[in-house]
Order: sequence, then C-alpha cells, then structure tokens
Amino acid sequence: DIQMTQSPSAMSASVGDRVTITCRASQGISNYLAWFQQRPGKVPKRLIYAAFSLQSGVPSRFSGSGSGTEFTLTISSLQPEDFATYYCLQHNSYPWTFGQGTKVEIK
Amino acid sequence: EVQLLESGGGLVQPGGSLRLSCAASGFTFRTYALSWVRQAPGRGLEWVSAISGSGGTTYYADSVKGRFTISRDNSKNTLYLQMNSLRAEDTAVYFCARIVVVTGFDYWGQGTLVTVSS
Repeated sequence: DIQMTQSPSAMSASVGDRVTITCRASQGISNYLAWFQQRPGKVPKRLIYAAFSLQSGVPSRFSGSGSGTEFTLTISSLQPEDFATYYCLQHNSYPWTFGQGTKVEIK
Repeated sequence: EVQLLESGGGLVQPGGSLRLSCAASGFTFRTYALSWVRQAPGRGLEWVSAISGSGGTTYYADSVKGRFTISRDNSKNTLYLQMNSLRAEDTAVYFCARIVVVTGFDYWGQGTLVTVSS
C-alpha cells in the first residue's frame, strides 16, 4: 500500500502569508495526486487534480506542483476563507490513500 | 447538475449491520466508478471502497475488508455500502464520491453519519 506523509500537520499563518504544504508518497505515483480543502462541517472541495491542474472556479492563489513522490500545495497569499484543513490524495493505485491533513489556523 | 445524496446512516449497536445508499443524478451513472470515503469525528479522511462502472470490480480498505460490501444498481442510479459486524471505530460520516479515471474524485455527496455504540 502507498503511504502519504503530509506535513506539517498544523500551522498558524496570517492573512497575506505564503503557505506551503507537502505530501510525500512512499512510492512513485506519477501525477495521480489531488488536493482537497475542507472547512469544518463541510464536504471536501477539490482544489488541484493531476498534481498541478487547478480545479475550475478555484482561485489562482492556489497552485500544485510535483511528480513521482514529492508534491506541494502552495497558497500564494492566504485569505480569511482559506483557513481550513487540507488533504492530499493519491489515486495511482488501490487502496487510495489520503494524507493525514494540514490544519491551517489563524495566527 | 451532478448530485449525490447519501442516506441510511444512524445509530447501530456493535456487531450490527447497516446499509448505506447513495442516489445519483445529473450524469450517466453506469459510465462512472464510485467510491465511499469516511471521516471519523475530529479525524481525517479515509478511503473505504470503490466500484467500477459495471459493478464487476470492487476494492476495499484493509480496515473494512470482509465486513463491508460495495455494490451498485445501474438501473436505479444508486450506490450501496452494506456494513456488517460494525465496530465503534466505524463511527464516521460516510461520503460517496464520483471517480474520474485520471483525476480522482470530482463530486462528493453531503455525507451520512453512522454511529456505532451500545
């Protein structure tokens, strides 16, 4: 099974900050990697698919990069509505696996 | 508009059974694989199971293998999850999600809460 190690597990940041979240796969997953945002009590929302493709309707301050085993989600300038938990998901092979999540909190 | 609507959650005793349903609309149901994902209270997302468009191929997480069965009825545009031998650690919100082969999950339902407790 492929393990996804996401870091950090939590972070405090201010509006306007640049935020970077990393996911590392235990083996290569090509670009079968998606990023989701989840606000409390809400359904996960896909931000990025295929490692770097921006989901329609998602602000351009979100970007994804990486391939193989190392992936990054970047928020270029954090906005108040971005305080949430973020998850990566590998869908290269079953069982699909999520990262543990990164909670982005207000500093 | 793509819609996924889960139902069937509730309170069940340990060792009991429950069947979840996910009614789909707004797309050609039989052409998409589907999945169940769960989230325990205060915890992260956990992939549970997936099924091909025809229903002929299924996949399970080790944590539910042998206890849960995923199925679908393409004539009713409905996905199911039969959950047997339920444990306290199965307590979670269960989401159904549509799968696009290259890009993973694109649409999610609102979720249904399953509570396993005596």
